[in-house]
Amino acid sequence: DAKTTQPPSMDCAEGRAANLPCNHSTISGNEYVYWYRQIHSQGPQYIIHGLKNNETNEMASLIITEDRKSSTLILPHATLRDTAVYYCIVSPNTGGFKTIFGAGTRLFVKA
Amino acid sequence: EPEVTQTPSHQVTQMGQEVILRCVPISNHLYFYWYRQILGQKVEFLVSFYNNEISEKSEIFDDQFSVERPDGSNFTLKIRSTKLEDSAMYFCASSEPTSPYSYEQYFGPGTRLTVT
Repeated sequence: DAKTTQPPSMDCAEGRAANLPCNHSTISGNEYVYWYRQIHSQGPQYIIHGLKNNETNEMASLIITEDRKSSTLILPHATLRDTAVYYCIVSPNTGGFKTIFGAGTRLFVKA
Repeated sequence: EPEVTQTPSHQVTQMGQEVILRCVPISNHLYFYWYRQILGQKVEFLVSFYNNEISEKSEIFDDQFSVERPDGSNFTLKIRSTKLEDSAMYFCASSEPTSPYSYEQYFGPGTRLTVT
């Protein structure tokens, strides 16, 4: 089973920041937090990951709490094309690991 | 930008037939994976593959399934005798460690398998 808890759905207005929360209270010290998204029936798309520091790339920012028990994915200026299911995943630090996808958060970006 | 490709995009087969789903991972990646997603359900891990052998497999990946990297570019999933419940979207993924603890996976567009 997934080791994360996410709200099933969220709405966001186009152009606004979308803040997607994730709880991972049982995360181990060497596990990373990864975020992926799946647009309609396409293959999941990697967004960002982090261990304990906040991270930012061209797609999003990731804020991890100091105790690492929760995190927030931030899409700074959501567009209609960001409507997707967003998955928060914790993973061990080994290659070839199985990525366990939960139900994720279905984000609806509205005009 | 490099991407994972999969063929065919849609495969229809009869129950009991063998199917081979093909994937071309990103060229410098070292780890390869298959996942599946039954319509309306979660994405499920099937198997991971590294250094020409299976690293990990799920309970779904039983004796009916096999994987192979027949050459330096292709990665295949074979289902020996398909069942109706094998109907799903099958995703291939690949990854390369960009640091000791970083293994983001890049997914292909999927093959929709329909078993009739």
